[in-house]
Amino acid sequence: GAVVSQHPSWVICKSGTSVKIECRSLDFQATTMFWYRQFPKQSLMLMATSNEGSKATYEQGVEKDKFLINHASLTLSTLTVTSAHPEDSSFYICSAGGGYSQHYEQFFGPGTRLTVL
Amino acid sequence: RKEVEQDPGPFNVPEGATVAFNCTYSNSASQSFFWYRQDCRKEPKLLMSVYSSGNEDGRFTAQLNRASQYISLLIRDSKLSDSATYLCVVNMEDSSYKLIFGSGTRLLVRP
Repeated sequence: GAVVSQHPSWVICKSGTSVKIECRSLDFQATTMFWYRQFPKQSLMLMATSNEGSKATYEQGVEKDKFLINHASLTLSTLTVTSAHPEDSSFYICSAGGGYSQHYEQFFGPGTRLTVL
Repeated sequence: RKEVEQDPGPFNVPEGATVAFNCTYSNSASQSFFWYRQDCRKEPKLLMSVYSSGNEDGRFTAQLNRASQYISLLIRDSKLSDSATYLCVVNMEDSSYKLIFGSGTRLLVRP
């Protein structure tokens, strides 16, 4: 399967700081990238859909000014959590979908565990 | 009603057992279906896609019933390493990469 990397794998920061998470598709060009958040014992919740060269589409209830997404190329998308607060502590996972698959599979990055103190 | 529903479990089975997971989805326009596996504190990994005719991959068999909007996963000869959470996933609409995840079914395989 396709390889997606995420960086950093974990981060601890003080309340009020901004955190940037990178998601890269390493061996294919990702038409679309997705950002998810997962709280303990809960399922993945889609935050936003990111298409290269266009604005991200945010799910209902997700603040676009707080979670800034940039999809500058077909292999890189970034999520910036601005002015992070303890309630933003979560497991953030990106995924990438490529045009080569007729079954619309997504391949996930290893995730970034964010802890806001 | 949730868009994708699964029995949360946990299913606690001995090694060698056969276990079946079920899933229902609400959007009749969904066209692509998957089972993902997620280990604790890790990202989901694609286990298998689910095709209309049903498909098998080693000890794993997936079935799809479009009329009932029902998907199943059968695991035969369970191994300790099969212990994980199994996520039923459907795409939200035709020709879309957007996926909807079930809340997952937890499997514990004991020695």
